[in-house]
Amino acid sequence: DSGVTQTPKHLITATGQRVTLRCSPRSGDLSVYWYQQSLDQGLQFLIQYYNGEERAKGNILERFSAQQFPDLHSELNLSSLELGDSALYFCASGGLGVGTEAFFGQGTRLTVV
Amino acid sequence: AQSVSQHNHHVILSEAASLELGCNYSYGGTVNLFWYVQYPGQHLQLLLKYFSGDPLVKGIKGFEAEFIKSKFSFNLRKPSVQWSDTAEYFCAVMLGGGNTPLVFGKGTRLSVIA
Repeated sequence: DSGVTQTPKHLITATGQRVTLRCSPRSGDLSVYWYQQSLDQGLQFLIQYYNGEERAKGNILERFSAQQFPDLHSELNLSSLELGDSALYFCASGGLGVGTEAFFGQGTRLTVV
Repeated sequence: AQSVSQHNHHVILSEAASLELGCNYSYGGTVNLFWYVQYPGQHLQLLLKYFSGDPLVKGIKGFEAEFIKSKFSFNLRKPSVQWSDTAEYFCAVMLGGGNTPLVFGKGTRLSVIA
């Protein structure tokens, strides 16, 4: 158990819909990272939040957004969903400093039909 | 843009065979290097990491990796694989001094057969 909790584990929704994925980081970790894992693209970094503020942005579509709340949990919002958004979405949390690794949650498998 | 290359997409080995998975990165500055493993249906778990000091690092489950700065490489090795090592292996780079996103390679699927 990594200490990072993601809900839900599975999500099936229709095209055009909007979903929210939730992540609770490890106790004490201020950074939350979101990644998308698909067969063709591998693990793609989407966005990072640090202590409530956006810190880094990767290949995140404009239809996607995220936020980190005062209690440090984070939500990833995916809207106007397309079939190609079907993927495994991972959240990771990490601390500060050199050599600090990221700890990953179990992921949310999103299927868009 | 920074990138991480993993040379092998799928490796099939017999039990007790030796393993070496290649990883190269393209970034000239300070890097922290990681290998993660993803067992079927599970989340990514850290195998080992390098951020300074001895370039030969040892991780869990008998894995080790060697950082060769001149070659921008961080290859993963294990002298004798087991069936339970069947998984997907990801090399990752964290740029700079930490607290930055990991950049992952596309992964190498390892299948160990009895």
